[in-house]
Parts: sequence; structure tokens; C-alpha cells
Amino acid sequence: NAGVTQTPKFRILKIGQSMTLQCTQDMNHNYMYWYRQDPGMGLKLIYYSVGAGITDKGEVPNGYNVSRSTTEDFPLRLELAAPSQTSVYFCASSYRPSGSTYEQYFGPGTRLTVT
Amino acid sequence: RKEVEQDPGPFNVPEGATVAFNCTYSNSASQSFFWYRQDCRKEPKLLMSVYSSGNEDGRFTAQLNRASQYISLLIRDSKLSDSATYLCVVVDRGSTLGRLYFGRGTQLTVWP
Repeated sequence: NAGVTQTPKFRILKIGQSMTLQCTQDMNHNYMYWYRQDPGMGLKLIYYSVGAGITDKGEVPNGYNVSRSTTEDFPLRLELAAPSQTSVYFCASSYRPSGSTYEQYFGPGTRLTVT
Repeated sequence: RKEVEQDPGPFNVPEGATVAFNCTYSNSASQSFFWYRQDCRKEPKLLMSVYSSGNEDGRFTAQLNRASQYISLLIRDSKLSDSATYLCVVVDRGSTLGRLYFGRGTQLTVWP
């Protein structure tokens, strides 16, 4: 049971380039999330998904796109990279939240630098 | 106005010390509260939930004051391995999504 895995671990992009950050979970979680964490800041939600085929915007979606064709995978796409997208990106997953059960399981992160 | 605000830190304490972190949240409709721990260059992991009556987990004690919209985390008998950033996390009432709002985190360094 690997939990949440992310690839790549590190990436350097030039301005205007595109890339896809991969995220896979093997816990059969319906809910998946993408966050970014800038230095010294809290995590900000980019996009989320409540199940295959269903996605929605979070707090900071501009410049990103997502898809959810399977329960396991939730890739994040950057179309035209900008320096403001330099950050650490975390993917997370959870069971359907209920009561006080809101634990999210995070992947190890992708460190992205745009120059 | 930020959803969740934490002590700026950093906190540098000797082994064996007791240290407390505070957190305030702006949305009175917030329902659930947590402390996550994040080691340097690693992902956040759930440390403990925070219940209205307060709760303990070993050396860690969490308190919630709904009237003041205030959460705290107390660590007793600090260990070197407690060095990390502690994130205060809040979930809104009735959130079927389970969206978590994270504070910026408070950095703790425990020295020998």
C-alpha cells in the first residue's frame, strides 16, 4: 500500500512551458485535492475532485487544469508556466468527509521552479 | 482577513521544555479542527484532532475555545524529534467537500 504518490519530485521549467504533475492513490479514496505551498505560507487549494469525472476549482485555480478519469489518478496540468507558479505542489486524498473524519493523506510533493 | 492565523514563531526550546502554540480562526461556522505536523521538506501529516472538551495524546494536549475562536497545542517534555512545523487546520461546518483551511504554520526547533 503506497498511499499517495507524486511524480516528478523536482522539475525546472522555463517560462511558457507546459507540464503535468502526476498523482496516484491506492486507498480507493473518492476525494482528491491539489494544493500549493509557497515558502512560509499555508497550503492553498488549487482544484479538488469528489469522484471520477467530477472536478471543481479551489482558492487559486488560475493557470492550472485537472482531470479525473479514474478513482486512482488526479493529474494537474500547467499550460503556460509563469514564475508565480514556482512552489511546492501537494496532492492529497481522503474518504468522503463525515462528522469529525476529515483526515487527508498527502503525497510527498513536487518542487517546481519556473525561470 | 485570513481564515486561520497562527503564532509567527519560530520557537526554539531545549529538550524537556513545555511549549504552546496558538491559532485563531475567523469563521464562526467552523466545525472541525486539527493540528498537522510538517517536517522539513516533507508532506503534512495529521498529528491530532481537536475536540471541544480538549484532548490529550501522550505529551500533546489540544484545546478549543469556540467563544474566542481559538485553538491551542501544548507539547510537554519536548524531544528533539518534535522539531517540525505545526499547522493549524480548520474545516467549515457542513462542508461536505472536506475542504481544509491551513494556517501558515509555527516552526519549532528543540535543541539538546
